[in-house]
Amino acid sequence: GAVVSQHPSWVICKSGTSVKIECRSLDFQATTMFWYRQFPKQSLMLMATSNEGSKATYEQGVEKDKFLINHASLTLSTLTVTSAHPEDSSFYICSAALKDRVKGYTFGSGTRLTVV
Amino acid sequence: RKEVEQDPGPFNVPEGATVAFNCTYSNSASQSFFWYRQDCRKEPKLLMSVYSSGNEDGRFTAQLNRASQYISLLIRDSKLSDSATYLCAVNWASGYSTLTFGKGTMLLVSP
Repeated sequence: GAVVSQHPSWVICKSGTSVKIECRSLDFQATTMFWYRQFPKQSLMLMATSNEGSKATYEQGVEKDKFLINHASLTLSTLTVTSAHPEDSSFYICSAALKDRVKGYTFGSGTRLTVV
Repeated sequence: RKEVEQDPGPFNVPEGATVAFNCTYSNSASQSFFWYRQDCRKEPKLLMSVYSSGNEDGRFTAQLNRASQYISLLIRDSKLSDSATYLCAVNWASGYSTLTFGKGTMLLVSP
């Protein structure tokens, strides 16, 4: 149980185009979704926190107009990378908090974005 | 500043060895602690939560030292399949706030 389905798993796009990443909670309601980014050999860095029905809270240094987050329902959160550039190439992962505090959080399978 | 620090490794060990990872955190008010395992190009998967009293799950033992602000993970009888990057994660608040991750420690178990 408590699965977050993330799509696509990988995408290659041209510089200047936009890419949408979806995360769906399959068997639970995700009131809060966290979006992370991970560069090679680096840690997962939080980009933003999204709450269903409200605006996302972005971490310092993350451009909210470039990384658009929508959390319109309790089962779907999306991250759109607008006007992507090669430096946006990274591994993007969503995460939802679980009611079971022992398990903590569940993660999507990640999206590897390559901008050429 | 809220930070989580880990030795990046890699730790190269033979099968059957015991290996220990440490992780330090900067915020003494931290609430929850976790160890995750991440395979190459995959999402992190929860290995175990870390309790104040310490906890064990098979070959894995996690410990928390609040006074010194570190958590540890001990892996006994290492298997080839244990090769991965181990991330420690800290939740700073009592609610469902975000996790802060360390950079991870890479473990390579060889035959």
